[in-house]
Amino acid sequence: EVQLVESGGGLVQPGGSLRLSCAASGFTFSTYTMNWVRQAPGKGLEWVSSISGTSTTIYYADSVKGRFTISRDNAKNSLYLQMNSLRDEDTAVYYCARDRDGTSYVFDYWGQGTLVTVSS
Amino acid sequence: DIQMTQSPSSVSASVGDRVTITCRASQGISSWLAWYQHKPGKAPKLLIYAASSLQSGVPSRFSGSGSGTDFTLTISSLQPEDFATYYCQQSNSFHRTFGQGTKLEIK
Repeated sequence: EVQLVESGGGLVQPGGSLRLSCAASGFTFSTYTMNWVRQAPGKGLEWVSSISGTSTTIYYADSVKGRFTISRDNAKNSLYLQMNSLRDEDTAVYYCARDRDGTSYVFDYWGQGTLVTVSS
Repeated sequence: DIQMTQSPSSVSASVGDRVTITCRASQGISSWLAWYQHKPGKAPKLLIYAASSLQSGVPSRFSGSGSGTDFTLTISSLQPEDFATYYCQQSNSFHRTFGQGTKLEIK
């Protein structure tokens, strides 16, 4: 059974940093592109970042480019999101999600999410 | 960026009803469209990919259609567990974008 479990969320002040983690199990982690998707309170879903299985291809949404860094450790079956220079508008539930396959940008499995609150 | 627009934003329906949700892309995306179901506090669930392909394990009362810029998600006979928010997502490019969501509520 595919499982994705996020952790690392919490309350942080504007300008601060936070590192999210996603522990994956039930599939060959290194062969899948992984993603972070977020949902601000009362808002819809927003794709944040993607990283290929070998970490050679990385993409970011314009809203986080230069502030967030996605990475992965295939030996630990883990995905990470380093978030720096956090802003109020980064407040959201952050989901880890797996790409369905290598040819379509579709998320077939998601975690339950971790809440990040940016507030003074 | 490709903008995705869903309608309606919310809909009230009864168990057994047939419901259709539409999604429009700001430019042609062929059949690169997915639909998700999201319940509060839960992980989103993939229902449909490639506009009309049913994800494994998803009940056959869910169906998708369309190509180019206009797409629909249809639930043929609503069940109590179907009340949720539904999102379309274009999968045409790495910069994936979602519609704003359609909240399906019990009448």
